[in-house]
Amino acid sequence: GENVEQHPSTLSVQEGDSAVIKCTYSDSASNYFPWYKQELGKGPQLIIDIRSNVGEKKDQRIAVTLNKTAKHFSLHITETQPEDSAVYFCAASIGGNNNDMRFGAGTRLTVKP
Amino acid sequence: NAGVTQTPKFQVLKTGQSMTLQCAQDMNHNSMYWYRQDPGMGLRLIYYSASEGTTDKGEVPNGYNVSRLNKREFSLRLESAAPSQTSVYFCASIQGAWGTEAFFGQGTRLTVV
Repeated sequence: GENVEQHPSTLSVQEGDSAVIKCTYSDSASNYFPWYKQELGKGPQLIIDIRSNVGEKKDQRIAVTLNKTAKHFSLHITETQPEDSAVYFCAASIGGNNNDMRFGAGTRLTVKP
Repeated sequence: NAGVTQTPKFQVLKTGQSMTLQCAQDMNHNSMYWYRQDPGMGLRLIYYSASEGTTDKGEVPNGYNVSRLNKREFSLRLESAAPSQTSVYFCASIQGAWGTEAFFGQGTRLTVV
């Protein structure tokens, strides 16, 4: 089955700086890569996703890049704000398969004002 | 629009006690999932239900049972709780299969003493 590794486990940045979180996956058949944000006391919430036919996707200050050859994908947050502080999870799956979504261990991002 | 609702939010059990975690979604989604979240291990799938009347094991099913009562509700039962089941439990729902956005509940923090 799929195995997803996520780094770093914790990340601290100054407000306004950029933050990058990286994930690698093992199953070359994986084709759907979502990123979830979990705020304290809440469930994870989808913030951006990318499919294997796309190399990069942006949504305002958030971008995700995918390198299928190297089997890694990254989340980029620019101009970070204190409200970006949360735990971020990457995940990988073969779209259409009901039980094959695997999550990374999570990155706790702290944005210092 | 409530989305995915989990009850209870917190629970303390003694070893050997049983309990049922409840989950309900109001988005008319077909697929529902139960995950557990442990420090440093991300989200691990316990059981899932691709449609009303069907359930299947995930990555860590031992010690748990589930019931898909109807399209809205998916419950998770611990028959004889063990300290190793101390965790935060999340229910999620998806319209179809993975490849579309998953919606998570707020979680149930369970402590087994």
